Amino acid sequence: GAGVSQSPSNKVTEKGKDVELRCDPISGHTALYWYRQSLGQGLEFLIYFQGNSAPDKSGLPSDRFSAERTGGSVSTLTIQRTQQEDSAVYLCASSLDPNQPQHFGDGTRLSIL
Amino acid sequence: ELKVEQNPLFLSMQEGKNYTIYCNYSTTSDRLYWYRQDPGKSLESLFVLLSNGAVKQEGRLMASLDTKARLSTLHITAAVHDLSATYFCAVSTPQGGSEKLVFGKGTKLTVNP
Repeated sequence: GAGVSQSPSNKVTEKGKDVELRCDPISGHTALYWYRQSLGQGLEFLIYFQGNSAPDKSGLPSDRFSAERTGGSVSTLTIQRTQQEDSAVYLCASSLDPNQPQHFGDGTRLSIL
Repeated sequence: ELKVEQNPLFLSMQEGKNYTIYCNYSTTSDRLYWYRQDPGKSLESLFVLLSNGAVKQEGRLMASLDTKARLSTLHITAAVHDLSATYFCAVSTPQGGSEKLVFGKGTKLTVNP
């Protein structure tokens, strides 16, 4: 596809369950980012991957959050033991390299009941 | 810690009028981005400003950057209804090669006929 693809587009789950969110970056883009958008906190950086380098995890809010990027392409963001405050839109972005604009996917809207 | 402030947060204007959105940031950065977000949609890149005095224009929107004042402006000329959206500025925080973005809270623009 031409753009960043995220799945699912919507996810509703019960408090305490684990969820996995997927991101397919634009082909050839080496940099991949996860952000979270919520009413109270705005847009927040979560984690960044660049090639084979160690990821920048400085934005992850707790140890319940983790992410991996396999083969330098697809990334999965995992939230364990979800809490209601995890409800937000999770956005993935990719760029050709860290000096280029980031292109965003449509996001996954996560609702924790 | 880098902080980004936008104002106003809400802007209602008449078609045909001009207005400016302001974006202040707290620490030195080498690039600033403007994004547009329509309701329920993802972020669309508008401008990338890389140096002091940079000015970019696209249609009725013009963005400028003053790195000494740590200020960027997004000027709207002769607004039309199609410009109604939320506009975000974002500043990069280079950190070990990571270009993670710190976003302002956004300016929700409504253009009335």
